[in-house]
Amino acid sequence: KNQVEQSPQSLIILEGKNCTLQCNYTVSPFSNLRWYKQDTGRGPVSLTIMTFSENTKSNGRYTATLDADTKQSSLHITASQLSDSASYICVVSAQGGGGADGLTFGKGTHLIIQP
Amino acid sequence: DGGITQSPKYLFRKEGQNVTLSCEQNLNHDAMYWYRQDPGQGLRLIYYSQIVNDFQKGDIAEGYSVSREKKESFPLTVTSAQKNPTAFYLCASSIAQDRVYEQYFGPGTRLTVT
Repeated sequence: KNQVEQSPQSLIILEGKNCTLQCNYTVSPFSNLRWYKQDTGRGPVSLTIMTFSENTKSNGRYTATLDADTKQSSLHITASQLSDSASYICVVSAQGGGGADGLTFGKGTHLIIQP
Repeated sequence: DGGITQSPKYLFRKEGQNVTLSCEQNLNHDAMYWYRQDPGQGLRLIYYSQIVNDFQKGDIAEGYSVSREKKESFPLTVTSAQKNPTAFYLCASSIAQDRVYEQYFGPGTRLTVT
């Protein structure tokens, strides 16, 4: 069964600090991996999409890494800001399987930035 | 929220009543989706549509119905047969129903049934 596990479940850090969120997956065959940011009560917004051949992708202060061999991804946030407080969702796309749309969603990491 | 609107933002209904959630997009996307989000769980797919007048069941379609009469619109009806309808509902769209295409999400509708 295709699965996406995210850790930690929740994280609290001080403003200005860096943090790293983890995503492990068992989705196969792999197509791509996405990180979304979801503010409370809002829809998810895409941060990055990574295919098999991409190891690192950046979007401002967000940097995602992908190790397709170990089936792990991380999202690193640099110099955190209060506006980074949100849930971060890892989504893995399969070439076949997963949900009916081929996507398997993680449960998300809830990040809180404290001033 | 990128050109996808959902209304209303909050919806309250009595148990036993059907309710319809609206989703409209102006992105000229062919594919549209409905997801349900519950606390502590990942998004779960309810229905999706690849093209006008066509739609397929997702992983948790029981108790829900949809229509796709126009490319821009994909309304979701939560029927009285849905045993636990209280949840946050998200609509999304993509250029086509292919796993390589990015999905754009609407702002969501929070439905409370009492």
